[in-house]
Amino acid sequence: SAVISQKPSRDICQRGTSLTIQCQVDSQVTMMFWYRQQPGQSLTLIATANQGSEATYESGFVIDKFPISRPNLTFSTLTVSNMSPEDSSIYLCSVEGASGRTYDEQFFGPGTRLTVL
Amino acid sequence: TQLLEQSPQFLSIQEGENLTVYCNSSSVFSSLQWYRQEPGEGPVLLVTVVTGGEVKKLKRLTFQFGDARKDSSLHITAAQPGDTGLYLCAGDLGNTGKLIFGQGTTLQVKP
Repeated sequence: SAVISQKPSRDICQRGTSLTIQCQVDSQVTMMFWYRQQPGQSLTLIATANQGSEATYESGFVIDKFPISRPNLTFSTLTVSNMSPEDSSIYLCSVEGASGRTYDEQFFGPGTRLTVL
Repeated sequence: TQLLEQSPQFLSIQEGENLTVYCNSSSVFSSLQWYRQEPGEGPVLLVTVVTGGEVKKLKRLTFQFGDARKDSSLHITAAQPGDTGLYLCAGDLGNTGKLIFGQGTTLQVKP
């Protein structure tokens, strides 16, 4: 499986500011995803990061709040904009596993723990 | 509406006991994955089940996919404190690459 790193691993931010989270993969991957995990909760998909085009957002998530970049096949960023305490969560990126399978597997980065004061 | 219902949400047991976690849905999944997540880390993939009726074993963990591919279970035999963590099931509805997660099961195994 791919090795995935995220920066920063954690941050404490002030209300109204923005934070950009980076996700780096050690190999080229087609599919990259961003998830949110609120305290004590499961994972919710924010968007699919598409290389060379705009991200595809899930219901309840919008580009103005969570702009995503995917400049190449190994890197993506997620920005959490105009933050409020409700944005305090763990943000995780994931990548789809090796191609050639008839099914999809996802592998996750270590996550970025965000606290908004 | 939760598409993938996972139960129980919390489980606290003694070392050596057996346990089963369930994931149920009214939807058919092309595949279903089980993950384990420890505090401060991302989920780690344990297994993927694809075929209806499939059973996979990973040491003391047994994973089963329902015949209709709508449900799955994880059975742990003789649980150990190292099994403590958050267990997540996640299904792919139609080879879209997008996963739908269950609510998670927080397991605590006491020595």
